[in-house]
Amino acid sequence: DGGITQSPKYLFRKEGQNVTLSCEQNLNHDAMYWYRQDPGQGLRLIYYSQIVNDFQKGDIAEGYSVSREKKESFPLTVTSAQKNPTAFYLCASQVGETQYFGPGTRLLVL
Amino acid sequence: GENVEQHPSTLSVQEGDSAVIKCTYSDSASNYFPWYKQELGKRPQLIIDIRSNVGEKKDQRIAVTLNKTAKHFSLHITETQPEDSAVYFCAASKYGNKLVFGAGTILRVKS
Repeated sequence: DGGITQSPKYLFRKEGQNVTLSCEQNLNHDAMYWYRQDPGQGLRLIYYSQIVNDFQKGDIAEGYSVSREKKESFPLTVTSAQKNPTAFYLCASQVGETQYFGPGTRLLVL
Repeated sequence: GENVEQHPSTLSVQEGDSAVIKCTYSDSASNYFPWYKQELGKRPQLIIDIRSNVGEKKDQRIAVTLNKTAKHFSLHITETQPEDSAVYFCAASKYGNKLVFGAGTILRVKS
């Protein structure tokens, strides 16, 4: 877990604004994931990447975009098309079968 | 695709009692089944996992059982303590692919 960092811890978005959430890992893991968690709810997969320069949509990709230009970095952009972005965003990386989570970013709308 | 169902959604137990959370999965090719614990406002943390070539695995007060024929697996926590209160998620995957998570169980341990 300690090798996965997310920033910022809290992020405020104004209406119509795009914001980018950072996820970095120094574990040399190939696969990385983004999940959204609403209060009292489970984990919903937004996007994932199993290798550099490649990524796939998850179950709720609309209104989000990602890039994977480096193995250690998988930033998530919440676009203005995402009308209800308030949630806890979790990044994870995976080695073999085991997935480890970052500390999360809480996104709030002003 | 894979679908994982988790029950119950909420579980309250008295301190010292046992707690059991059950999950069923749909894809018979799934071969890896982890359990995560998430405390309020924190990240999910892996507490135990089991692979399809094993029927049971134990780690101190926590155990997981797997029934491949019935396609279900369970988390057992014995001698529960207040610090066991959290949300627990089961998940399933095959061959190192993405995890499919259950909806979660809120466990409350009353002292």
